[in-house]
Parts: sequence; C-alpha cells; structure tokens
Amino acid sequence: EPEVTQTPSHQVTQMGQEVILRCVPISNHLYFYWYRQILGQKVEFLVSFYNNEISEKSEIFDDQFSVERPDGSNFTLKIRSTKLEDSAMYFCARIDSYTDTQYFGPGTRLTVL
Amino acid sequence: DQQVKQNSPSLSVQEGRISILNCDYTNSMFDYFLWYKKYPAEGPTFLISISSIKDKNEDGRFTVFLNKSAKHLSLHIVPSQPGDSAVYFCAASRNTGNQFYFGTGTSLTVIP
Repeated sequence: EPEVTQTPSHQVTQMGQEVILRCVPISNHLYFYWYRQILGQKVEFLVSFYNNEISEKSEIFDDQFSVERPDGSNFTLKIRSTKLEDSAMYFCARIDSYTDTQYFGPGTRLTVL
Repeated sequence: DQQVKQNSPSLSVQEGRISILNCDYTNSMFDYFLWYKKYPAEGPTFLISISSIKDKNEDGRFTVFLNKSAKHLSLHIVPSQPGDSAVYFCAASRNTGNQFYFGTGTSLTVIP
C-alpha cells in the first residue's frame, strides 16, 4: 500500500497555464517534500513543507512555484505559468520521523506543450 | 551543483552474481545516506540507509558500505536477481528533515 498518493498521474498543459499537483498522505503527516525529475536527469529537491510552512527550498523553487495545504490534509504544488522546461515527473515524499527515511509517491508526469 | 555523483550510468550483471553500485559525494557535512530503487513511471522506493556513525549496514541481499574518508558509498546486491533490474539512486542529507541530494542514478540490468 502506498504511503503517499498523487493526483493526477499525468497532466498535459499549454505553456503559460497554471497547474496544481496534489499529494495525499495515507495518514496524518506534517513533513512533506516535493521533488522533480526531468527525463534522463537526477531527482532534484524543490521544497520541504513542515507544519503548514515552507521549511527549505531550492533555487529551482522560484516565484512561479507555491505550496500549500488548502484543506488540512492534501498538499498541493502550484506552478503559476508553466514553461516548456517544467515538463518533468513531480514526486511528493513524506518522511518517517523515526528512521528519517523519505517515502515517495508514484509521481505526476507533467507535460507542457 | 553535483554534490552526489554516480559515475556509472549503467551496469549489467549475470543473475546470481554480485552487483556493486557506487556513489561519491563532495559535502563532508552529509551524515545520512540512502539508496533508492526506481522502476519506470514509479516513484523511488527506499532500499537501505546508513548514517555516518556506521560503515556498514546490511538488510538481506543488500549491503551498503560507507567510507567517510573517501566520501564514497557503495551498494552490494548478492545474489543479484532479474527483478533487481531498475535504476538505483543514492541520496544524501546533512541532518534530519533536510533535503536529500540525489545522484544521477545507475541503471542495473540483471541478466538471467
């Protein structure tokens, strides 16, 4: 059973459009991460989110990105005005506080046309 | 900013033999390391971890070795099985809750 689920599994959008990617924890976790993997490249950290606040973010996470927990359970990653280079797999991960291990969701494939 | 490097993009091993996947890092502040396995169209799956206070951690067929002085870690899979064929990523972090830095991955193919 997955620790974390993500929706949608695949999102196709036009350049300049806004997209919202969702992460749904199986149980009530407080610490979440977003990563992305451009095809053929390494997995890159975007942002960590703890207790409804951004804890850490990378230089990739610029003003076009935002994260929030709009309904107290789901976590969302919003990309305001998508660019072609935003096409990637986006992974949500939660951390096990006892083992410090991150468990990843299945990912959302974002395709920007 | 390649703080974690996996210099072998691919590796082929015969079934039953040992697979050795290598990873190097540059940041001496890293103190926690993990190996992930990834199949196409899926998220990375945690395999095994090691903290900097240890030099070896074993879990079944998987053993991770850490050489802090060389800033090098390796994953040994013995015996290798066809189902082990996947991309393997090593990742490192500075301390609890911080971001993980990933290597570029090594694609392992275990030949039956």
